[in-house]
Amino acid sequence: EVQLVDSGGSLAQPGGSLRLSCAASGFIVSIKYMTWVRQTPGKGLEWVSVIYSGGDNTYYADSVKGRFTISRDNSKNTLYLQMNSLRVEDTAVYYCAGRSGSGSYGMDVWGQGTTVTVSS
Amino acid sequence: DIQMTQSPSSLSASVGDRVTITCRASQGISNYLNWYQHKAGRAPKLLIYAASKLQSGVPSRFSGSGSGTDFTLTISGLQPEDFATYYCHQSYTPTFTFGPGTKVDIK
Repeated sequence: EVQLVDSGGSLAQPGGSLRLSCAASGFIVSIKYMTWVRQTPGKGLEWVSVIYSGGDNTYYADSVKGRFTISRDNSKNTLYLQMNSLRVEDTAVYYCAGRSGSGSYGMDVWGQGTTVTVSS
Repeated sequence: DIQMTQSPSSLSASVGDRVTITCRASQGISNYLNWYQHKAGRAPKLLIYAASKLQSGVPSRFSGSGSGTDFTLTISGLQPEDFATYYCHQSYTPTFTFGPGTKVDIK
């Protein structure tokens, strides 16, 4: 069983930067992809970015493309989200999530969420 | 990008009711459709993957159906712990998208 613990959320100023981390433990080799999902205040879930295992292909939502970078350190079993040029509208709870089951289907493992607030 | 819509956006129901939520994709996504339950302050929970497969540990009152562009989540016999917001999610393309959500609250 895979467990995820995300961290790094805090208060940042518009135009600033933050790096979120997601530490994975358990049966890591089973993970097909890892992703970041956010929920902005009073709104629904928004997919942010994904990184696939076995090739490191990465993809981004248009709203963060060019500003956010997803990466991972396999030696540390940790996923990252580097967030630059932050905007007020990036304020959200950010979850890391992954797929440990078969196929490229839904995210079956989730972190607990970390809160990012962008405000001056 | 593939757009996902859900209906209704909210509904009120009673314990024991049968609840149906629909999700539509802007183009065909085969069976790459997943359903989540989300409660405030908690991480989302995967209920259904591949349109109709029940995630391990999820009660059998939850079921999913559909293929292509039209999908349905059904809760047969709503329980108090089922009051939450439900989201569909397509993983057909690597740029995932979620539906806007359906809030299920107590009548």
